[in-house]
Amino acid sequence: GDSVTQMEGPVTLSEEAFLTINCTYTATGYPSLFWYVQYPGEGLQLLLKATKADDKGSNKGFEATYRKETTSFHLEKGSVQVSDSAVYFCALSRWTNAGKSTFGDGTTLTVKP
Amino acid sequence: DVKVTQSSRYLVKRTGEKVFLECVQDMDHENMFWYRQDPGLGLRLIYFSYDVKMKEKGDIPEGYSVSREKKERFSLILESASTNQTSMYLCASSLGLAGRSWTQYFGPGTRLLVL
Repeated sequence: GDSVTQMEGPVTLSEEAFLTINCTYTATGYPSLFWYVQYPGEGLQLLLKATKADDKGSNKGFEATYRKETTSFHLEKGSVQVSDSAVYFCALSRWTNAGKSTFGDGTTLTVKP
Repeated sequence: DVKVTQSSRYLVKRTGEKVFLECVQDMDHENMFWYRQDPGLGLRLIYFSYDVKMKEKGDIPEGYSVSREKKERFSLILESASTNQTSMYLCASSLGLAGRSWTQYFGPGTRLLVL
């Protein structure tokens, strides 16, 4: 079955540091890949997505590239801010699975001033 | 913007009570989902609905049922609440197959405490 493995947390960085959160997946076919973010006390919200190989999703300074050859979708940001402190979830969906998503376990990021 | 609302942010119930969690979306989405989120366990799918009156069990349906009588509303029912159902419950919706979009839009969550 489908699976998503993301780097274990928690991750603690200083403001303006470089962020990478690794995500690899196992799925048949060509899934769509997502990063969702959950701020404290809120539901998840879409951060970025990519729907085919070599696509790059980007939003709010975050980027991730769909790498079919390595089955990866790593999240990066060049300079994190305190306001980026949140839980980040990598996920995939396939149309052959009726659009249900498989989520990673989430990575908690804390950014210190 | 898509809006997904949940009937309560916080709920306290007694063991054995019947509990209703309501979710409403305002964008005519086909798919709706109920998840529970527990520390260390991530998001787990309870039930999924791909159309009115259509439902499919997720990974952990035991102790739960759902109802979707109208497209915009998806209810999660705990027939007889137990303490191990204390959790954060998240509702989500997505456009679905017709729109070829699987992006899920989440509500703010309901934190349920069963005493």
